[in-house]
Amino acid sequence: GQNIDQPTEMTATEGAIVQINCTYQTSGFNGLFWYQQHAGEAPTFLSYNVLDGLEEKGRFSSFLSRSKGYSYLLLKELQMKDSASYLCAVRDSNYQLIWGAGTKLIIKP
Amino acid sequence: ETGVTQTPRHLVMGMTNKKSLKCEQHLGHNAMYWYKQSAKKPLELMFVYNFKEQTENNSVPSRFSPECPNSSHLFLHLHTLQPEDSALYLCASSQGREPSEQYFGPGTRLTVT
Repeated sequence: GQNIDQPTEMTATEGAIVQINCTYQTSGFNGLFWYQQHAGEAPTFLSYNVLDGLEEKGRFSSFLSRSKGYSYLLLKELQMKDSASYLCAVRDSNYQLIWGAGTKLIIKP
Repeated sequence: ETGVTQTPRHLVMGMTNKKSLKCEQHLGHNAMYWYKQSAKKPLELMFVYNFKEQTENNSVPSRFSPECPNSSHLFLHLHTLQPEDSALYLCASSQGREPSEQYFGPGTRLTVT
């Protein structure tokens, strides 16, 4: 079967750095996505990786290793507004998105 | 209105009721999706429409019935639901079926009593 694993919950301190990991086993691979979802709101797109390596976008970076079936989302200079759930999703060989259950990130002052 | 809108935002219904969820996208996209989001579970894709044609139905019970009259509007008709159907129902749209990203609406929080 297809599976996306990510930690259920993480806690970090304002101003610090946090890394949210995602591992996947899917039927083929056509890209990996990270979305942010604040409580009670719609998921919003953060990043997309299809080639190995690091993609940087401001305070957020996303890394992909296709050979290891592994990605992480790196958040720097954490702010209270970064408290949210972070969803990892992989597009399989049929171009269907397979979603993880999400990681709830709690930022403490 | 911009982006993807959904109405109603909250809905409480009995198991014998019939109700409909509405989604509208103002982005000019040609693919639309219904997802179910339950607490601490992955997003579950329910239905996909591409150019108004249903292209996927992921073994969804018949008590959920989608309708896509045009590329901008998507409905989810509900009847004789079960308490386990209580969840957040999200609509999304994208440009093409193989997009780089999907745009989500704010969702409808459904409670079945």
